[in-house]
Amino acid sequence: SSELTQDPAVSVALGQTVRITCQGDSLRSYYASWYQQKPGQAPVLVIYGKNNRPSGIPDRFSGSSSGNTASLTITGAQAEDEADYYCNSRDSSGNHLGVVFGGGTKLTVL
Amino acid sequence: EVQLVESGGGLVQPGRSLRLSCAASGFTFDDYAMHWVRQAPGKGLEWVSGISWNSGSIGYADSVKGRFTISRDNAKNSLYLQMNSLRAEDTALYYCAKDNFPGLAAADDAFDIWGQGTMVTVSS
Repeated sequence: SSELTQDPAVSVALGQTVRITCQGDSLRSYYASWYQQKPGQAPVLVIYGKNNRPSGIPDRFSGSSSGNTASLTITGAQAEDEADYYCNSRDSSGNHLGVVFGGGTKLTVL
Repeated sequence: EVQLVESGGGLVQPGRSLRLSCAASGFTFDDYAMHWVRQAPGKGLEWVSGISWNSGSIGYADSVKGRFTISRDNAKNSLYLQMNSLRAEDTALYYCAKDNFPGLAAADDAFDIWGQGTMVTVSS
């Protein structure tokens, strides 16, 4: 199956901008989706498709993509944004009905 | 309120079976594909299996292929995961997740609703 690679940890100062990246061959064919997971809670979808935010997600969250890399950008990070972030996409390898997740990025807001 | 509620988890011995259920409410269940995603303690998310709106397309992760079977009953607004030949490495919190598309091949689909999960522990 395909793989998606994320940096294990990223930090950002309160109010600053941070970019979390996700790399993988499947991203050349499919969009990434991004999920926020806080301790003890289920994941929450924050970005999907080209750059779509579900209802209730603040507009400081945005997404972009280039080649084999997708990015989640938080512009003006808040304390409540501290969480684990996961990307996923369709599997572009032999398992064409499958889905792959990145390993996750732990975001710390300083 | 849109909601997914998983059940059926528990402690099971290696080699035994378990059936998970997911009850959906607050949306038209048979309009969307559904998935199972698991998370081992302290680890990341792993997609397990997905099923299209009409059960016409089904996919599995290589790690569970041949052992797990996904199914759905649209009349009961329910999703299931039959887990056979369980292994210690199947120990995880199992989430039910709703797709935002009816099929399994959309280029920009996403898991827009998640349940709270049901814990499966495989141990002797």
